[in-house]
Amino acid sequence: GQSLEQPSEVTAVEGAIVQINCTYQTSGFYGLSWYQQHDGGAPTFLSYNGLDGLEETGRFSSFLSRSDSYGYLLLQELQMKDSASYFCAVVGGGKLIFGQGTELSVKP
Amino acid sequence: DGGITQSPKYLFRKEGQNVTLSCEQNLNHDAMYWYRQDPGQGLRLIYYSQIVNDFQKGDIAEGYSVSREKKESFPLTVTSAQKNPTAFYLCASSLDQSTDTQYFGPGTRLTVL
Repeated sequence: GQSLEQPSEVTAVEGAIVQINCTYQTSGFYGLSWYQQHDGGAPTFLSYNGLDGLEETGRFSSFLSRSDSYGYLLLQELQMKDSASYFCAVVGGGKLIFGQGTELSVKP
Repeated sequence: DGGITQSPKYLFRKEGQNVTLSCEQNLNHDAMYWYRQDPGQGLRLIYYSQIVNDFQKGDIAEGYSVSREKKESFPLTVTSAQKNPTAFYLCASSLDQSTDTQYFGPGTRLTVL
């Protein structure tokens, strides 16, 4: 089967750095994606790791280690607008399999 | 503007009625997907289509049906066989089946009374 695990909730203060971890068990793995979803809205794509290592896009970075079946999303210089749910998703077999999501709360 | 649209945003139906949710995209994407999201949960794949006139069951296809007669359109029917249909339904598309990036519509919140 396929499964992903990520923390259900994370709280941080404005300006801080937060890391959201994701571990996975799957077959047919091509890569790991991250999506952001604000309450009541649609998920939006943040980043994708097809190879091991770090991908940086502005304040957001994502990391993948295939040997450890592990990845993380790093959010720097947190802003209030970053309060949202963050989902990791395994890419493979022509589809995405999503984790349960991590709800990030950014406090002033 | 290119994008993916779903209508309506909110939908109410009586128990035992079939209901069809609309999903249209003008991104010229080959692949389209339907997900269900329950409160505080992740997205679960209902059906997906990698090309016109072809579609595959996802993880929770029971009680749902789809069609893909046109590249732009991928409607989802929630049938009376679906035991717990009240949920947030999201449609997505991607350039093709191998693309890592999916683009989501705004979603339809279905409530069955």
